[in-house]
Amino acid sequence: QKEVEQNSGPLSVPEGAIASLNCTYSDRGSQSFFWYRQYSGKSPELIMFIYSNGDKEDGRFTAQLNKASQYVSLLIRDSQPSDSATYLCAVIPFSGGYNKLIFGAGTRLAVHP
Amino acid sequence: EPEVTQTPSHQVTQMGQEVILRCVPISNHLYFYWYRQILGQKVEFLVSFYNNEISEKSEIFDDQFSVERPDGSNFTLKIRSTKLEDSAMYFCASSEWAGESQPQHFGDGTRLSIL
Repeated sequence: QKEVEQNSGPLSVPEGAIASLNCTYSDRGSQSFFWYRQYSGKSPELIMFIYSNGDKEDGRFTAQLNKASQYVSLLIRDSQPSDSATYLCAVIPFSGGYNKLIFGAGTRLAVHP
Repeated sequence: EPEVTQTPSHQVTQMGQEVILRCVPISNHLYFYWYRQILGQKVEFLVSFYNNEISEKSEIFDDQFSVERPDGSNFTLKIRSTKLEDSAMYFCASSEWAGESQPQHFGDGTRLSIL
């Protein structure tokens, strides 16, 4: 069973702080890793993706991947109240193709002023 | 910025009826997907579609479900003989191609309510 695990939260951080969101996955052959943001009642919105070990930065966001530990994280610098949402980790499993995303249940982030 | 569009935004249907959910993927995208999210639960993969055929489907996607690309722009999900447990948000997504660096872009979803 291919699983993606996330702490459900809520993760509460003050405005301006760094929010750290974590995700582990069970399929060692997983190919690529995506972070989506989902506001309540809305669709997943892509933040960024990573497929090589190490860090990848995009504005206030940094994704970190450690395939040996089967761990991927998302750092949000200078957190804003508008960042308050559920953050979904999604993985492309090793299935011979790139045809589906397996989602975690998401971590709810609350940024308070 | 190009986006995936879905209609209707909300569909209410009696149990046992058939529904068709519609999607217009981003125009230069070749891969199309359907996902669903039951209230309070994970986003779940249903099916992927490429070159007018199903590439992969999940255990959820049984004979009750079908997909079609009826013309050059639309991509539809048909659910026959709907059940109460089919109530969920259904998201269409598309990607330019399928690969490790190809993100899937999601539409706003259709909320399906089965009465």
